[in-house]
Amino acid sequence: AQSVAQPEDQVNVAEGNPLTVKCTYSVSGNPYLFWYVQYPNRGLQFLLKYITGDNLVKGSYGFEAEFNKSQTSFHLKKPSALVSDSALYFCAVRDGSTDSWGKLQFGAGTQVVVTP
Amino acid sequence: EAGVAQSPRYKIIEKRQSVAFWCNPISGHATLYWYQQILGQGPKLLIQFQNNGVVDDSQLPKDRFSAERLKGVDSTLKIQPAKLEDSAVYLCASSLAGTRTTNSYEQYFGPGTRLTVT
Repeated sequence: AQSVAQPEDQVNVAEGNPLTVKCTYSVSGNPYLFWYVQYPNRGLQFLLKYITGDNLVKGSYGFEAEFNKSQTSFHLKKPSALVSDSALYFCAVRDGSTDSWGKLQFGAGTQVVVTP
Repeated sequence: EAGVAQSPRYKIIEKRQSVAFWCNPISGHATLYWYQQILGQGPKLLIQFQNNGVVDDSQLPKDRFSAERLKGVDSTLKIQPAKLEDSAVYLCASSLAGTRTTNSYEQYFGPGTRLTVT
């Protein structure tokens, strides 16, 4: 079975400060990891993914994420947050080693609030 | 490039009524997904199609929910009869095709249909 945990319901950060959104996962095989962002009344937008290779992944809008196999984590980061980054962020995992057609498991989401 | 289209955007029905949602995926995307997102939770996969065949419907309440993807393009999700607990946002997503054992492609989501059952 695969699972994702986002331990923080909400993250508050001042504009210009670094932003981190935490994610830990559990899969039996090789993890494929994704981050999505959701703005009010809109669908989810893809930010970045880790499949294999370099542990530091760069994505859209200045976001990056670091894959840490020993800690089974995939935290999302941005060096300098903007007010427009305020949104709901979802981490998702897929087991890349099982006979499952790549079913994606989402975390519960973390609300990011960036204050001016 | 056009994104994933869904309609309607909002729907209010009474319990025991039926409702249908429509989705048009991104052109060329063989894989189509329907998710249910309850307020305060992450999306939960209801059903996944590869072209016009179902590859995962393990979390679809089959006594009331049904879905089809005729001709491997558009898809329809139906609820009959609806219950109060079906109130949620129903998201459609599409991606390039994977295989039984690997799918590294990201999914692209539509804007969703917000269903309220009273």
